[in-house]
Amino acid sequence: DVKVTQSSRYLVKRTGEKVFLECVQDMDHENMFWYRQDPGLGLRLIYFSYDVKMKEKGDIPEGYSVSREKKERFSLILESASTNQTSMYLCASSLIANYGYTFGSGTRLTVV
Amino acid sequence: GENVEQHPSTLSVQEGDSAVIKCTYSDSASNYFPWYKQELGKRPQLIIDIRSNVGEKKDQRIAVTLNKTAKHFSLHITETQPEDSAVYFCAANSGGSNYKLTFGKGTLLTVNP
Repeated sequence: DVKVTQSSRYLVKRTGEKVFLECVQDMDHENMFWYRQDPGLGLRLIYFSYDVKMKEKGDIPEGYSVSREKKERFSLILESASTNQTSMYLCASSLIANYGYTFGSGTRLTVV
Repeated sequence: GENVEQHPSTLSVQEGDSAVIKCTYSDSASNYFPWYKQELGKRPQLIIDIRSNVGEKKDQRIAVTLNKTAKHFSLHITETQPEDSAVYFCAANSGGSNYKLTFGKGTLLTVNP
């Protein structure tokens, strides 16, 4: 069973802090994704990566960056956290293109 | 880019009834359409998916239909049970990029015992 593990379940950070959200998958999946989930807005794609050191912007990349130095790990970085980045962040991975995602449990981030 | 519309946003049914959730998509090049179920406080989980070379797929009480001409697809749940209560998301891949999925805004299904 594929596991996608997000390092923190809950985080509280202050405005202006640099925030790192970590995601690790253990099944050698090629593709990894970061989404944020907000009530009434569904899941919106922030960034994704289809290979090590490769990244592409999703629909809402502003204020975020990512890092994928190793195949199994995909990090989301909030360069300077703001209150409008308070959200649930979901990491996902997929084996190949056009294949179902496996999601992590999510990180609920609150920026105060 | 791809735009996925999902209706209804909330759906309440009696146990044993059927439930139908509908989605439309905008990108005619999209060819992969998964459905996810998210129970309260849990991660979304893939429950069924369909590719554009088929019109219907069934898995026990769950079925998905696809109409490529009209660019819409639907999730059908028969003989609903209280444990079917959850938020359901449809998604479509973006034709220009096979890697990423665009999700609908979700449907909160409540099955009343």
